[in-house]
Amino acid sequence: QKEVEQNSGPLSVPEGAIASLNCTYSDRGSQSFFWYRQYSGKSPELIMFIYSNGDKEDGRFTAQLNKASQYVSLLIRDSQPSDSATYLCAATTGGFKTIFGAGTRLFVKA
Amino acid sequence: DAGVTQSPTHLIKTRGQQVTLRCSPISGHKSVSWYQQVLGQGPQFIFQYYEKEERGRGNFPDRFSARQFPNYSSELNVNALLLGDSALYLCASSLADPSRFEKLFFGSGTQLSVL
Repeated sequence: QKEVEQNSGPLSVPEGAIASLNCTYSDRGSQSFFWYRQYSGKSPELIMFIYSNGDKEDGRFTAQLNKASQYVSLLIRDSQPSDSATYLCAATTGGFKTIFGAGTRLFVKA
Repeated sequence: DAGVTQSPTHLIKTRGQQVTLRCSPISGHKSVSWYQQVLGQGPQFIFQYYEKEERGRGNFPDRFSARQFPNYSSELNVNALLLGDSALYLCASSLADPSRFEKLFFGSGTQLSVL
């Protein structure tokens, strides 16, 4: 079982719609969770982090965490073509080890 | 402030050779992590160093080694290169402050091709 699992996609949404990206993790000791965005040919960049159960909003982005279900999600409201990228879910366990999922490719159609 | 810098940006080697990749973290960051990313997959954790000590190691063979210097820069060494080592090698720096969350800041990566 992979430590962090994501649907590889691609996920295709029309411009202006809500994109919903999901992730599950296997290590109950994971303490903090991150979403990174990676454009083709570029390195990952952090867009959200969350460590408590519930929702965390930042602009058009909302991260959701449910530790009981070991589930993390990212919602992107009013999706734009510039949001088209691969979204990587990551979890950090004790000792600062950060493990990434395989990523979900998102396409936003104009 | 400069971000995370990696060198070289591209490298071509042949099987059996050895390679050294270099990384300079963001000023003030004391931790460096190395990741391998194969096309179409997420970054795979190789090592984390903090204050010059190895704090974590991923599931990679002993051909992979790393070290961190007093100025917090780091080198990743790979010996006896295999075709399967062809990948993008990413370095990430972080504050590694236990009271904060381990936000990683990535360099642009070194694209290694093994022929």
